[in-house]
Amino acid sequence: GESVGLHLPTLSVQEGDNSIINCAYSNSASDYFIWYKQESGKGPQFIIDIRSNMDKRQGQRVTVLLNKTVKHLSLQIAATQPGDSAVYFCAVVNSNSGYALNFGKGTSLLVTP
Amino acid sequence: DTEVTQTPKHLVMGMTNKKSLKCEQHMGHRAMYWYKQKAKKPPELMFVYSYEKLSINESVPSRFSPECPNSSLLNLHLHALQPEDSALYLCASSQLRTGVASGANVLTFGAGSRLTVL
Repeated sequence: GESVGLHLPTLSVQEGDNSIINCAYSNSASDYFIWYKQESGKGPQFIIDIRSNMDKRQGQRVTVLLNKTVKHLSLQIAATQPGDSAVYFCAVVNSNSGYALNFGKGTSLLVTP
Repeated sequence: DTEVTQTPKHLVMGMTNKKSLKCEQHMGHRAMYWYKQKAKKPPELMFVYSYEKLSINESVPSRFSPECPNSSLLNLHLHALQPEDSALYLCASSQLRTGVASGANVLTFGAGSRLTVL
């Protein structure tokens, strides 16, 4: 089955610094990737997605990079703020075989003042 | 309305009780999902409904019984649960387009129902 993992379970950054959260996946047929943010006591919230025909996508203060060769994606958060403190999950799907998401283990991001 | 609403937010039940978790969305999504999330773990898929029909059951024990009465509602009926079933139960919904270019798989999650089994 799909194996989705993260390189670093916890990440502590200072306010204003940039954050990079990494994710590795195993199924080369995966073609759609999503980053979710989960704050304490809440459900996961969509941050940004990327399709396999792209290698970079930018949003507001966030950038997702996809390297299909090594089956790796990353989430970059610019000028990290205290409100960014949360657990971040990558999720992957093979849209030809199903549409349910398989979540990675999660990285806990802590932003210190 | 861009929300998924789950009730109750908290539920405590004994192992002999029968209870239900409820989920509602009014975004016109035709896929609805139940996920289970243990502390410090990622959500794990339990069930998927598409067009009100059960399409995926991830080998979930029969003490969990899903129901989709209509396109806006999703229930999870609980009976004879075990303490290890204590977790956050997340409901989600999505559109049902397929294919790489569609962005079909963006799930919108509810805040979850925190279940404690005594």
